[in-house]
Amino acid sequence: NAGVTQTPKFQVLKTGQSMTLQCAQDMNHEYMSWYRQDPGMGLRLIHYSVGAGITDQGEVPNGYNVSRSTTEDFPLRLLSAAPSQTSVYFCASSSRWKVPGGGYTFGSGTRLTVV
Amino acid sequence: DAKTTQPTSMDCAEGRAANLPCNHSTISGNEYVYWYRQIHSQGPQYIIHGLKNNETNEMASLIITEDRKSSTLILPHATLRDTAVYYCIVRSVNSGGYQKVTFGTGTKLQVIP
Repeated sequence: NAGVTQTPKFQVLKTGQSMTLQCAQDMNHEYMSWYRQDPGMGLRLIHYSVGAGITDQGEVPNGYNVSRSTTEDFPLRLLSAAPSQTSVYFCASSSRWKVPGGGYTFGSGTRLTVV
Repeated sequence: DAKTTQPTSMDCAEGRAANLPCNHSTISGNEYVYWYRQIHSQGPQYIIHGLKNNETNEMASLIITEDRKSSTLILPHATLRDTAVYYCIVRSVNSGGYQKVTFGTGTKLQVIP
């Protein structure tokens, strides 16, 4: 089924380690974004992309890098993991041209624990 | 983008209608109202959206006031599976650029048997 696929679903990292959270969509959506959700809180925007080769910062970009080499993929890199980055990470995509009918499609999330 | 205000939590008896309010008093003319819900810790799921007319689909109804400063999501016959956090957001129809949409803390709806 079409949608947003995130991998891995769960990850435990040690402080200082780096890793990449993967996100892929097969809906040819121009827009992709990464959110983090801490317990009891809403979703906060980390980084977003309006198309291949174009990325920008959201509300909480520090400690994360992104790139968008293809329309389909939007990986999120943690450079040096810290306990404060323990969270659930969601990737979302949306179509520029189907607004307003094209709402956000979210992945199922990656649950990251940094010890 | 306009910000939204929602109650933190609500209860609803199973089988009754759940009415979830949202205030968006600073909404602009080209912004739509969207509703999403998040069950457990899954990714948020789209429910419905509207501009100024009332909307209905298989999941819910959306009532938008005439001045568009508030709206109500209606789940006509709430079931236990509707227990979730419901987010109300506004989003511009201007496709000239990406909108940094903020998902607040939403309303936690608890459906009670």
